[in-house]
Amino acid sequence: ILNVEQSPQSLHVQEGDSTNFTCSFPSSNFYALHWYRWETAKSPKALFVMTLNGDEKKKGRISATLNTKEGYSYLYIKGSQPEDSATYLCAFGSQGNLIFGKGTKLSVKP
Amino acid sequence: KAGVTQTPRYLIKTRGQQVTLSCSPISGHRSVSWYQQTPGQGLQFLFEYFSETQRNKGNFPGRFSGRQFSNSRSEMNVSTLELGDSALYLCASSLEGGRSYGYTFGSGTRLTVV
Repeated sequence: ILNVEQSPQSLHVQEGDSTNFTCSFPSSNFYALHWYRWETAKSPKALFVMTLNGDEKKKGRISATLNTKEGYSYLYIKGSQPEDSATYLCAFGSQGNLIFGKGTKLSVKP
Repeated sequence: KAGVTQTPRYLIKTRGQQVTLSCSPISGHRSVSWYQQTPGQGLQFLFEYFSETQRNKGNFPGRFSGRQFSNSRSEMNVSTLELGDSALYLCASSLEGGRSYGYTFGSGTRLTVV
């Protein structure tokens, strides 16, 4: 059974802090690794899709790295803002079928 | 550009009944996937349709079924509802299976079985 683990489960930081989360996934038969951001009462929004070992992607203050050989990805948020508060999900993807982790819930206090 | 539209948003059904949920993908997207989220669980994959064909299926009982129409709209049906089927059901669409741009999710249908 394929499993995707995310840590920590939740995180409380102060505005301006930088933070990072971990996603662990099976290192065999890698297809793609997705990161989504899910705000309360909204739908999950795609942040990054990463397909190559060593990939690094960046969108504003958020960036992600990928290591397919050891089966992990990191998501970094630089200078957290209250609007970054959300649950961040990673998903191990095969075509049409994503296996999601349970997410890291980030709360940023002003 | 319209997003992924799911109807209805909320639904209350009685145990033993059946229910049909609808999902209209983004125009041009041919892949539609369905996910279930229950409290304490991550999103669980139900099935994926591409060009009217079920391409992948998750580990759910046969009471859960779906279909996709020629306009890419998809429906999900759950027969003989059980209390444990109470969940948020999300559908997601993509152009090519999500490998380049990821999936676009709808806002979900929250199903309560009483």
